[in-house]
Amino acid sequence: AQSVAQPEDQVNVAEGNPLTVKCTYSVSGNPYLFWYVQYPNRGLQFLLKYITGDNLVKGSYGFEAEFNKSQTSFHLKKPSALVSDSALYFCAVRDRAGGYQKVTFGTGTKLQVIP
Amino acid sequence: SQTIHQWPATLVQPVGSPLSLECTVEGTSNPNLYWYRQAAGRGLQLLFYSVGIGQISSEVPQNLSASRPQDRQFILSSKKLLLSDSGFYLCAWRTGGPNTEAFFGQGTRLTVV
Repeated sequence: AQSVAQPEDQVNVAEGNPLTVKCTYSVSGNPYLFWYVQYPNRGLQFLLKYITGDNLVKGSYGFEAEFNKSQTSFHLKKPSALVSDSALYFCAVRDRAGGYQKVTFGTGTKLQVIP
Repeated sequence: SQTIHQWPATLVQPVGSPLSLECTVEGTSNPNLYWYRQAAGRGLQLLFYSVGIGQISSEVPQNLSASRPQDRQFILSSKKLLLSDSGFYLCAWRTGGPNTEAFFGQGTRLTVV
């Protein structure tokens, strides 16, 4: 079984400050991990993914995420938040084992960047 | 490049009426296709997925069905809508590899009245 948790319903950050959106996961094997962003009344957009290799993954719009196997975490980060980053962010996981065709999404974290 | 089209964008339907939402993908072949429902603007619930024509896997038994009549076409249907079917429906596709990301359509806001 695979699962993912986003412990914060909402994160508020001042414009220009660094931001972190948290994600932890549980898989039986090794994970593929993804971050998506959703703007109001739109579909999800892919931001970045961790497959293997370097634990720090860089993605679109200046976002990055750090894979931490010991803490089973994959937190999304950005050094300097923009008001336009305000959106709903989803973490997702797929277990590498078993040829699994499904991905499990977290419940989402609303990011509010305050001008 | 690949694109995904989902329509309509919004739909208001009376209780008991039928439903048909369509999703098509361009620029790729043999994609994995997915239907999700998002309630209250938050979590995604996987409804159906398909790895090929005519192959449908249902995740949640409910008042909906899905079909894949062509390689790049995925249809979500209902014979009789319930109030509880209201929500934001998202179609998505990905290639068959396990480490590939999904690409989502723009969504359909369904309101059952």
